[in-house]
Amino acid sequence: NAGVMQNPRHLVRRRGQEARLRCSPMKGHSHVYWYRQLPEEGLKFMVYLQKENIIDESGMPKERFSAEFPKEGPSILRIQQVVRGDSAAYFCASQQGTSNEQFFGPGTRLTVL
Amino acid sequence: DAKTTQPTSMDCAEGRAANLPCNHSTISGNEYVYWYRQIHSQGPQYIIHGLKNNETNEMASLIITEDRKSSTLILPHATLRDTAVYYCIVRSIAYSGAGSYQLTFGKGTKLSVIP
Repeated sequence: NAGVMQNPRHLVRRRGQEARLRCSPMKGHSHVYWYRQLPEEGLKFMVYLQKENIIDESGMPKERFSAEFPKEGPSILRIQQVVRGDSAAYFCASQQGTSNEQFFGPGTRLTVL
Repeated sequence: DAKTTQPTSMDCAEGRAANLPCNHSTISGNEYVYWYRQIHSQGPQYIIHGLKNNETNEMASLIITEDRKSSTLILPHATLRDTAVYYCIVRSIAYSGAGSYQLTFGKGTKLSVIP
């Protein structure tokens, strides 16, 4: 039973480029969360999605960031026109139902040059 | 979510029990206590959660006080691989608007297991 998968594990972008981060939840899980972790800090919630729906995006920056979880395929976190401050580790977590625990992927480490 | 307070760091001798405390004095009735840990830069790992009864699984035990204002995570026989940052998180399972289901991570307790 494969765990949560994220790719790429490391991503380097230059300022102004786009970053696409992918998350495949555990089998049978239809809830996905994205979190961001800046160096030496705890994880911060960004967005919560179910299949084809954004349930809670209260932690998403208002501009340049978007997320989706299509009916088929992985969840995508998209960052347009990246800036150096976007450099961080981005983790996704999947959950079977809202009362269950969240399981985290290994993260994608984004470096913006 | 209610805030939690944890010591910044703790040391534990290898093979001994590690007891990690957490205060959550403003916890409400529909909020659970969750524990996660993060080893180095890996993704957080779920450990255990509970509402009001003590819980035990293959990784740890969770002791919640009767008034639910504090809890203790117990790793019965700490090993070097248990060195990590441990996060105590309070989370609702009832929807009450934006942010209801997210996990709110504080700074956690950095546990160092010493040989």
